[in-house]
Amino acid sequence: NAGVTQTPKFRVLKTGQSMTLLCAQDMNHEYMYWYRQDPGMGLRLIHYSVGEGTTAKGEVPDGYNVSRLKKQNFLLGLESAAPSQTSVYFCASSSPGLAGTRYNEQFFGPGTRLTVL
Amino acid sequence: RKEVEQDPGPFNVPEGATVAFNCTYSNSASQSFFWYRQDCRKEPKLLMSVYSSGNEDGRFTAQLNRASQYISLLIRDSKLSDSATYLCVVNPAGGTSYGKLTFGQGTILTVHP
Repeated sequence: NAGVTQTPKFRVLKTGQSMTLLCAQDMNHEYMYWYRQDPGMGLRLIHYSVGEGTTAKGEVPDGYNVSRLKKQNFLLGLESAAPSQTSVYFCASSSPGLAGTRYNEQFFGPGTRLTVL
Repeated sequence: RKEVEQDPGPFNVPEGATVAFNCTYSNSASQSFFWYRQDCRKEPKLLMSVYSSGNEDGRFTAQLNRASQYISLLIRDSKLSDSATYLCVVNPAGGTSYGKLTFGQGTILTVHP
């Protein structure tokens, strides 16, 4: 099993350009998440999905859109990139957890390093 | 106040030392607690869950104090390979939160020979 994979690993954009980050998981997880990580800020949730065809906003959703057309894939889009979106983006997935438990581990992809000039 | 706060460090300790990290959380309704480890330029990975009674995994011991809203991680007999950033992580609302996690900013640990 590959776990969680992300494409691309690195990208440099100019201000105003658009791009899509792809996340794929092969663990049949229901939940998927997109985070960004900036120095001194920790990981912050951008958007998440609790199942195919559903998405919801996280803590910092502005400037991003997402889609979950297939259970195994979660796409993050930047329509008009800004320098403030320079960051490392992580995708993660998890299952709802076993009945009677609350401990559902999130599995992370290797990250995408995005620079917006 | 941040939802999850950690001392960012860095902590620089010699091999064999014992080191402790602390973390506080603001949401008293939080249900699940974790420590994740993140190596330089890598993704976070679960180190251990934290249970109310405290739990131990080899050289690592995690404790939770719900009354003080405080979580700790103790590493005994530190190894060079323990050098990493340790993230305190909280599930703020248990079963209704769809597994969403809130991360602290991380504590950097460097173990030197």
